[in-house]
Amino acid sequence: NAGVTQTPKFQVLKTGQSMTLQCAQDMNHNSMYWYRQDPGMGLRLIYYSASEGTTDKGEVPNGYNVSRLNKREFSLRLESAAPSQTSVYFCASSEAGGGRPYEQYFGPGTRLTVT
Amino acid sequence: AQSVTQLGSHVSVSEGALVLLRCNYSSSVPPYLFWYVQYPNQGLQLLLKYTSAATLVKGINGFEAEFKKSETSFHLTKPSAHMSDAAEYFCAVSVDTGRRALTFGSGTRLQVQP
Repeated sequence: NAGVTQTPKFQVLKTGQSMTLQCAQDMNHNSMYWYRQDPGMGLRLIYYSASEGTTDKGEVPNGYNVSRLNKREFSLRLESAAPSQTSVYFCASSEAGGGRPYEQYFGPGTRLTVT
Repeated sequence: AQSVTQLGSHVSVSEGALVLLRCNYSSSVPPYLFWYVQYPNQGLQLLLKYTSAATLVKGINGFEAEFKKSETSFHLTKPSAHMSDAAEYFCAVSVDTGRRALTFGSGTRLQVQP
């Protein structure tokens, strides 16, 4: 059981380049999330997917797009990278609904630098 | 909308001393509350969670937290710090409506001195 996996672990981009961050979970969770972590700001939600086939914006969606490819996979795309997108990106998944607490399981993160 | 405030971005304690990390939340509906720990260059790991079943919650590695509705607090404590507790700690809140995502505090970095 790998939990939540993310690729790549590290990436350096030039301003204007594009890339896709990949995330997969093997826990059969319905909900998946993308966060970014910046010093002194905690984690902020970029996009989330409550279930397969649905996506919605979080707090900081500008400059990003997502795809919920199937129940397991949720990718994050930067179409034209900017230095302000230098950050550590975390994918997470959780069961949802039924009145249960929404504990999320996190991947190891992708450290992205945009120069 | 819900929010979380963590008082103290850095906390330093001596090995064997009490650890107290503060978290206050704001929510218009009953919250679910979580503490996560992040070791250097790693993802977040759940320490404990409040699910409304009991106000005193015990987690992993000897940590516990008490939900106090009157104070809107969920402070994390450990009676005796260990060197391996040095990490960053995040408090988070979720509610049973809307997007159900976690809203995180800004984090507290715990340093343990020998």
